[in-house]
Amino acid sequence: AQTVTQSQPEMSVQEAETVTLSCTYDTSESDYYLFWYKQPPSRQMILVIRQEAYKQQNATENRFSVNFQKAAKSFSLKISDSQLGDAAMYFCAYRSWGFGNEKLTFGTGTRLTIIP
Amino acid sequence: DSGVTQTPKHLITATGQRVTLRCSPRSGDLSVYWYQQSLDQGLQFLIQYYNGEERAKGNILERFSAQQFPDLHSELNLSSLELGDSALYFCASSATPRPTDTQYFGPGTRLTVL
Repeated sequence: AQTVTQSQPEMSVQEAETVTLSCTYDTSESDYYLFWYKQPPSRQMILVIRQEAYKQQNATENRFSVNFQKAAKSFSLKISDSQLGDAAMYFCAYRSWGFGNEKLTFGTGTRLTIIP
Repeated sequence: DSGVTQTPKHLITATGQRVTLRCSPRSGDLSVYWYQQSLDQGLQFLIQYYNGEERAKGNILERFSAQQFPDLHSELNLSSLELGDSALYFCASSATPRPTDTQYFGPGTRLTVL
């Protein structure tokens, strides 16, 4: 079974600075997807970014980018120019490639605080 | 707004009772997933439906059941409720189960069992 580990329960960053959230995972599969979801105080789960394991290029979405290290099974999220609206819980998630196993497996989350 | 709707937003009930949570997927999405978010268990997958058929089961208790109807909405039924069932229940939908199809989450139903 796949597992996802987020070792930083809480992080804080000054507004406009850069912060990196860590995620490691364990799997025996070679093809899979990784995601970062954001959960603001409203509790809505919002997709931030996704990475296909077969792609060597790291995904980027505006101020959000990932550092995907497949051999190390590491998938960190970098938020540049942090904004107050970035304050939220961030969850790393894993999804198998194969059919019949489409569920998301989540880490325990990292609470990000933005300091004005 | 993800386009996934869930009702009710909040539900307060007593131990031993039965409740039904409802989910309407995004227009055109055939696959529906249910997740439970609790303080002690985190975010866990419960069950998945695709085009009316059960496709995968996770850590879903026998007291819980679900179904997807012909109009593609889904219901999660929780019975003989216990205090530990208090949680936020999310529904997510995707166009198909293909890995390229993103799962979009609804706003959740917060269940409180007293």
